[in-house]
Amino acid sequence: SYELTQPPSVSVSPGQTARITCSADAFPRQYVYWYQQKAGQAPVLVIYQDTGRPSGIPERFSGSSSGTTVTLTINGVLAEDEADYYCQSADNSGSWVFGGGTKLTV
Amino acid sequence: QVQLVESGGGVVQPGRSLRLSCAASGFTFSVFGMQWVRQAPGKGLEWVAVIWYDGSKKYYGDSVKGRFTISRDENTLYLQMNSLRAEDTAVYYCARVVHCNDGGCFVHGLDVWGQGTTVTVSS
Repeated sequence: SYELTQPPSVSVSPGQTARITCSADAFPRQYVYWYQQKAGQAPVLVIYQDTGRPSGIPERFSGSSSGTTVTLTINGVLAEDEADYYCQSADNSGSWVFGGGTKLTV
Repeated sequence: QVQLVESGGGVVQPGRSLRLSCAASGFTFSVFGMQWVRQAPGKGLEWVAVIWYDGSKKYYGDSVKGRFTISRDENTLYLQMNSLRAEDTAVYYCARVVHCNDGGCFVHGLDVWGQGTTVTVSS
């Protein structure tokens, strides 16, 4: 089955740049979507189709891709960005999968 | 405003059934594909199922295949859960994922989520 691999944790100081990777185990791959989830809340979409930023999401959030690895970058990290981040994608059979999640500590 | 509201969660014994509902409002439900996603206590997100905007296609995660059924009607998404197990204990979320019109379908990701409904499977 299709798998997405994320680092369990990333730690940065306020104002620094956080990079969270999501590696797919197959190529070519489908688009990747990124979600932010704060404690006790439903997830929020922060990046769609690898690089798109939904309206209302701050410009400090961006996405990039290279081969089978997709990266969520948060520039000028704020304390409020501390959360769990999940990537999601689909395989060619119609099924979807989430990465294991990355805890961002600021 | 655009909203999804889940209901139907509760405490149920292993082996029993439960049906979750997700009421949509503030948008044209019939042009959106929908997903169910769950999160066990202290764990990550797990994809459960997806249904096409017209109900023509349905796909399931391996852990629920053969036990859960996703369906929809005019403004509501459903998840029929049979043969429940302790490992199905989780918060269940519904979310919309793809918009379709005459020009095709655009997968925008899970841009609107419900608040979640809790299912506890325990004897």
